[in-house]
Amino acid sequence: EIVLTQSPATLSLSPGERATLSCRASQSVTNYLAWYQQKPGQAPRLLIYDASNRATGIPARFSGSGSGTDFSLTITSLQPEDFALYYCQQRRTWPQLTFGGGTRVEIK
Amino acid sequence: EVQLLESGGGLVPPGGSLRLSCAVSGFTFSIYAMSWVRQAPGKGLEWVAVISGSGGSTNFADSVKGRFTISRDNSKNSLFLQMNSLRAEDTAVYYCARDRWPGANSGYFDYWGQGTLVTVSS
Repeated sequence: EIVLTQSPATLSLSPGERATLSCRASQSVTNYLAWYQQKPGQAPRLLIYDASNRATGIPARFSGSGSGTDFSLTITSLQPEDFALYYCQQRRTWPQLTFGGGTRVEIK
Repeated sequence: EVQLLESGGGLVPPGGSLRLSCAVSGFTFSIYAMSWVRQAPGKGLEWVAVISGSGGSTNFADSVKGRFTISRDNSKNSLFLQMNSLRAEDTAVYYCARDRWPGANSGYFDYWGQGTLVTVSS
């Protein structure tokens, strides 16, 4: 099983700042990685797929990068609605899919 | 508008069974693979099972293999998860989720329901 490790566990930032979230895979997932956002009491929302492609309707301030084992999600200029939990997920070993443990972006 | 609505959650004793349903609307259900993903209270996400658009192919996480069954009724735009031999560690919110690409298995999920809570406890 591919293990995804997200860091940091919590990121404390102010609105307008830049957020960089990391996801490291225990073995290569090539570019088969997605990012999701989850707010309290809500279902996850797909932000990025195949490491760097924004999903439909996702603002341009969200961007993904990386390949192999190291990936990042960047949110330029944090908006109030961006404070949430973020998960990465790999599909390299479909149908066995795995998620990372999550990074919480909180208001400083 | 794409909508997914889960139902069937509740409190069940260890060893018991439960059947979850997911009613969908707003898209051609039969051409999309569908999955169940769960989230234990205060924990992260765990993929549980996937079924192809036709229903002819299914796969399960090792943690539920042999205990859970996934099925669908394309005539009724409905997805199901039959859960048997339930354990305390199966306690979670269960989400149904649509695969991102029609007619394929992308392994990414672009639409999710709001979830239904399953609690396994005596």
